[in-house]
Amino acid sequence: GAGVSQSPRYKVAKRGQDVALRCDPISGHVSLFWYQQALGQGPEFLTYFQNEAQLDKSGLPSDRFFAERPEGSVSTLKIQRTQQEDSAVYLCASTHEGYPNYGYTFGSGTRLTVV
Amino acid sequence: AQSVTQLDSQVPVFEEAPVELRCNYSSSVSVYLFWYVQYPNQGLQLLLKYLSGSTLVKGINGFEAEFNKSQTSFHLRKPSVHISDTAEYFCAVSLNSGYSTLTFGKGTMLLVSP
Repeated sequence: GAGVSQSPRYKVAKRGQDVALRCDPISGHVSLFWYQQALGQGPEFLTYFQNEAQLDKSGLPSDRFFAERPEGSVSTLKIQRTQQEDSAVYLCASTHEGYPNYGYTFGSGTRLTVV
Repeated sequence: AQSVTQLDSQVPVFEEAPVELRCNYSSSVSVYLFWYVQYPNQGLQLLLKYLSGSTLVKGINGFEAEFNKSQTSFHLRKPSVHISDTAEYFCAVSLNSGYSTLTFGKGTMLLVSP
């Protein structure tokens, strides 16, 4: 597609529920990133994929967070047993380079609210 | 590790006035620098980036930024703002070699009033 597509745009989850957030990167983009943006804060890095390989997951805040990109295109970020502190906007970004980082294209994000 | 400081959380300005949004970074090695804009309920859009060469970088929507290595700054400027420039602006940094993710500042909210 022309841009990075994320779905759903909004998600309300009850505390303890599992959620799955989807990212469709720009076609052919090698690198895919997930970021978490809490209210009033800048985005913070969660994890990085190069094709289907998850090369960096150092930003995942707990083992309740899991991401995959099995065929090197679409990626899913899964959060198990959601907590209120998981409420944030989850941004996906992609770029056609591996690295170094010349800047990415971001999607519109998924706003997750845990009640 | 690299870090970014955006000293102003909010900058109010009148329409057609000039504006400067400040960004300072910290890194022990050479970096690339970026400014992104985020409109309400939207993702981040790249305004401009400094990779190498001229320290004055021009971006979209009439914005420009100047890389100052000695002061470790990358301030964003626009000579005359519009109401439509009201948005959150984020400065970001990455290393210029090897693997590196983008590290963002906390953002500056630009509020343009008539």
